[in-house]
Amino acid sequence: DVKVTQSSRYLVKRTGEKVFLECVQDMDHENMFWYRQDPGLGLRLIYFSYDVKMKEKGDIPEGYSVSREKKERFSLILESASTNQTSMYLCASITWAVPYEQYFGPGTRLTVT
Amino acid sequence: DQQVKQNSPSLSVQEGRISILNCDYTNSMFDYFLWYKKYPAEGPTFLISISSIKDKNEDGRFTVFLNKSAKHLSLHIVPSQPGDSAVYFCAATPVGAGAQKLVFGQGTRLTINP
Repeated sequence: DVKVTQSSRYLVKRTGEKVFLECVQDMDHENMFWYRQDPGLGLRLIYFSYDVKMKEKGDIPEGYSVSREKKERFSLILESASTNQTSMYLCASITWAVPYEQYFGPGTRLTVT
Repeated sequence: DQQVKQNSPSLSVQEGRISILNCDYTNSMFDYFLWYKKYPAEGPTFLISISSIKDKNEDGRFTVFLNKSAKHLSLHIVPSQPGDSAVYFCAATPVGAGAQKLVFGQGTRLTINP
């Protein structure tokens, strides 16, 4: 059974803290993604990675960085958390087979105070 | 520039009736269209998809219709059940190199009333 896990379900951090969100998939997928979900805005792509150590910016990369040292693990880093980064963060990985269905983790609800 | 749009933020339907969720797109260079369902505090799960060369795809209570001339797709749920209450996202797969990157709509919150 396909599995994408995220390190935390809920996280509360202070403004200015460095935040690490971890994602692990067990499907041997090359491509992995980080999104944030906000009401009325849908899912917006922050960064994605198409191979180990390879990454590309998505639509809203500002304030974020990523790390992919191993194929199964994709980390999202908030260098200095701000209140406008309070959101639901979703990690996904993708199969090569059409229709390129993405498999999502359960999400991390991050609150920055 | 929102290429995939869900113009209804919410929809309320009586249990047992048909739920129709709508999605419009502005770019014809999409290969596949997908619907995802999301419960609170969970990640989205894939529901059903349709190829851009098809008009209809059916899976149990769920049917997706694609109207290419109108650049419009819809998801029909018949009959609606309380467990269908969730946020539904439509998404599209761009043709070509960006095929792995889905473009999502804003989502529609469906509430099924008993």
